[in-house]
Amino acid sequence: EAQVTQNPRYLITVTGKKLTVTCSQNMNHEYMSWYRQDPGLGLRQIYYSMNVEVTDKGDVPEGYKVSRKEKRNFPLILESPSPNQTSLYFCASSLSPRGTDTQYFGPGTRLTVL
Amino acid sequence: AQSVAQPEDQVNVAEGNPLTVKCTYSVSGNPYLFWYVQYPNRGLQFLLKYITGDNLVKGSYGFEAEFNKSQTSFHLKKPSALVSDSALYFCAVRDDSGAGSYQLTFGKGTKLSVIP
Repeated sequence: EAQVTQNPRYLITVTGKKLTVTCSQNMNHEYMSWYRQDPGLGLRQIYYSMNVEVTDKGDVPEGYKVSRKEKRNFPLILESPSPNQTSLYFCASSLSPRGTDTQYFGPGTRLTVL
Repeated sequence: AQSVAQPEDQVNVAEGNPLTVKCTYSVSGNPYLFWYVQYPNRGLQFLLKYITGDNLVKGSYGFEAEFNKSQTSFHLKKPSALVSDSALYFCAVRDDSGAGSYQLTFGKGTKLSVIP
C-alpha cells in the first residue's frame, strides 16, 4: 500500500531532551515536507526537501533540523525541544516539487514538550 | 506572497442539505488549488485539486469545487451532506509563478458539523 508513515504517533518529552520523528514514504517520491498544525493557525511548513541531500527552510524552521540521506526517509530532529514546539506534526510527500503534484500526508505525530 | 483565507471557522449543516465550505486565495501568478479533509486523529486526506481547464472539479466522496478566477475563490461543495462528512477541511494553494514556488500554503481550516 502506498503510504507515508511517521513514528512515533504520540510523544511526551521534557524540555531540552533531543528527539527525532521519523518519516518514510514508499512511493519513490522526490519531494518531502514537514508541517506543524496548531489550532487557529492551520498548517505551517517547517522544512522541505526536493531530493536526496537537498533541503530548505519553510515558514517556521527555528528549533528544527532535517536530513535527507535516502530518498524514502526524511526525519525531523528537535535538538533541544521547548514547550512552544508542542504541536501536531505532519510529514508529506509528492512525486515532484511541481505545483501540480498532490502532496500525500502521514498520520501525524502529536508531540508534547513539558 | 501567496495566501489562503477560509472565512468561516465552523459550518453547521443539516444532514441531507447541500453544504459549502468557502475558500479565497491570493497569488501572483496562476493558482493551483487543493482541498484536504482531516478526520479526528487522522492525517490529511486529499479530496480534489484544480490545475487548469474546467472550473468545476469533482473529487472524492461526492465533493466538488468551483474555481472562480474573478472572485479568486475555490469553494468546496456537496449536494447532500452526510453525518460522516463532519471533519476539518483545509484549502491550500500553490503559485505557478517564479522559481522556488514549491510551498503549499494552507488556510486555517473550517470545521464542518453535519447535524442528524
